[in-house]
Parts: sequence; C-alpha cells; structure tokens
Amino acid sequence: QVQLQQWGAGLLKPSETLSLTCAVYGGSFSGYYWSWIRQPPGKGLEWIGEINHSGSTNYNPSLKSRVTISVDTSKNQFSLKLSSVTAADTAVYYCARVASALVTDRYYYGMDVWGQGTTVTVSS
Amino acid sequence: AIRMTQSPSSFSASTGDRVTITCRASQGISSYLAWYQQKPGKAPKLLIYAASTLQSGVPSRFSGSGSGTDFTLTISCLQSEDFATYYCQQYYSYPRTFGQGTKLEIK
Repeated sequence: QVQLQQWGAGLLKPSETLSLTCAVYGGSFSGYYWSWIRQPPGKGLEWIGEINHSGSTNYNPSLKSRVTISVDTSKNQFSLKLSSVTAADTAVYYCARVASALVTDRYYYGMDVWGQGTTVTVSS
Repeated sequence: AIRMTQSPSSFSASTGDRVTITCRASQGISSYLAWYQQKPGKAPKLLIYAASTLQSGVPSRFSGSGSGTDFTLTISCLQSEDFATYYCQQYYSYPRTFGQGTKLEIK
C-alpha cells in the first residue's frame, strides 16, 4: 500500500520561500510522475507541476518563474519550493502520484495516491 | 491552457437519486480526462480515468462517459457518502487543468 507523507513550514511571511517535501512509502518510486497541487481556502484545485524519478519536470506556466520541484531518489522523496510568496499563495498543498494505465493501446493518467495535505498560510 | 468548465457548480439531491455532472473542455482532449471526489478536509480521491474507466475499489454506481470536449460523471443511486465536491481534470496537455468543481449537497 503506497502512502505519501508530506511536511513543511505552515506559516510564512510575504517574500519568503515555501518549502515542502513528500516521502513515498511502500511502493516503487521510479516509473511514475509525482505531482504538487494546491487548493486556496474555499476554492478549487490548481496543478503546480510534476517530476519523475529521473528529474524531468513539467510546471504550470502561471507559477513557473517561482517554482522548483526536485527529487531525491535515495530517500524516495520529492520536494516543492515556491519563492517570493504572497497572500495569494495561501492554500492547502498536496503531493500526489500520477499513475498511468494502458487502455485500448493508449496510456491514460490519474492521480491515484495523495498526501494528507499541508496548510500553508502567508501573512505578515 | 485548456479550460475545463463544470456544470452545475452546485446542486442538491436526495439519497437514491441519479445525478449527472457535466465537464466541458475548451478544446478536444480525446479521452484524457479524470474525475475526482473530495470531501471536506480531505485529499481528492480518483474515481475515473480515461473518461470512463473506473478506478479500482470505486463503487460501480459511478460511471463516466464522453470524448473530445464533452464529458459526464453519473452516480446511479446516490448514497449518503457521495455528498462531496467533484472535479474533472484533463491530461491531454500541459498545464494539467481542473474544472472549478461541482458541490453535491443533500436536499
């Protein structure tokens, strides 16, 4: 049973850097993409970006200039850094595994395992 | 970015009802669509991928259909545990994008 456990600072001041880490337990780290998603209070889900075990990344252009996602395969962990935070970055941040499945000769995707979420508040 | 629009944004239904939620993509996404269920204070849960394939362990009262730009999630017989917010997400291109969510409430 794969589990994701995430942690990081929950209270930041404007202009600081958000830093979160997600550890993968009980399953393979390679062969998947690993994502970060966030959810502002009372709002919907926003995809931040993803990384695979080789370090190949994809980012949301709306955040790309401030986001870095990295991987530590020796620890089965991946991390999110978001620089120059403002109040607009206040949200619950989730890590998730992107699984793929072969359906009628094509691969399809879904985030099938999620971390517990980390509430990050940006306030002066 | 591909825009995903869900309708309705919220609605009320009763246990035992059949309900349908619609998701429309701003451009064709083939069947690269997933549906998630989220309950308050919890992480989302994957229900359906490839527009119509049920994730392992998800009850068969959930079903998905559609291709191209128009998709639906149907719950055939609402149970009390189904009252939640539902999101669609496209996997056709980057950035991955979600619909704004549909909140299903008890009537």
